[in-house]
Amino acid sequence: GQQLNQSPQSMFIQEGEDVSMNCTSSSIFNTWLWYKQDPGEGPVLLIALYKAGELTSNGRLTAQFGITRKDSFLNISASIPSDVGIYFCAGQLSGTYKYIFGTGTRLKVLA
Amino acid sequence: DGGITQSPKYLFRKEGQNVTLSCEQNLNHDAMYWYRQDPGQGLRLIYYSQIVNDFQKGDIAEGYSVSREKKESFPLTVTSAQKNPTAFYLCASSMSDRSPLHFGNGTRLTVT
Repeated sequence: GQQLNQSPQSMFIQEGEDVSMNCTSSSIFNTWLWYKQDPGEGPVLLIALYKAGELTSNGRLTAQFGITRKDSFLNISASIPSDVGIYFCAGQLSGTYKYIFGTGTRLKVLA
Repeated sequence: DGGITQSPKYLFRKEGQNVTLSCEQNLNHDAMYWYRQDPGQGLRLIYYSQIVNDFQKGDIAEGYSVSREKKESFPLTVTSAQKNPTAFYLCASSMSDRSPLHFGNGTRLTVT
């Protein structure tokens, strides 16, 4: 099945550091979503992006919809211990209801 | 409260048995989805439904079946033909084609 290329796969950072992760694809998407998943739970929506070039913030989180419509990134500023979890990107193929998910970035924050 | 309810949280079955996972939403969303998640992996699309009485195969539909008789319900049956059914199953819904997915809290299925 289709999956997006998401990197890095995992990262350990110190509390207070900024974090950056991204997703790339060979397909064009008309919507990008970013989710956080805690163990044993469903993913929770963080940010939704709908236009190429769009830059959107949600508290300490900032995400951008790439100009080519084939990529997106998520930044987390001043990380805190509760940022620990798995972050997923998801892109919606143009003209369909299908969302394709990235393979996830596992974030661990060291206090 | 509005949301998506998946039940049960944990499900155990013997190999060769069919099993049905429940998904109910009270968000009045048109579209519903089933994803499968394996340890350390992303989500893979099994089936999705844009409207009642209509559904499409996702990337890994073999060994699964669904029905969409009511707007609020989208049950998934894992059949004995599914070769590796043990996984975490997530149901989601969205209002329309460009709306974000809202997820339930998943059902962990173990087949022995």
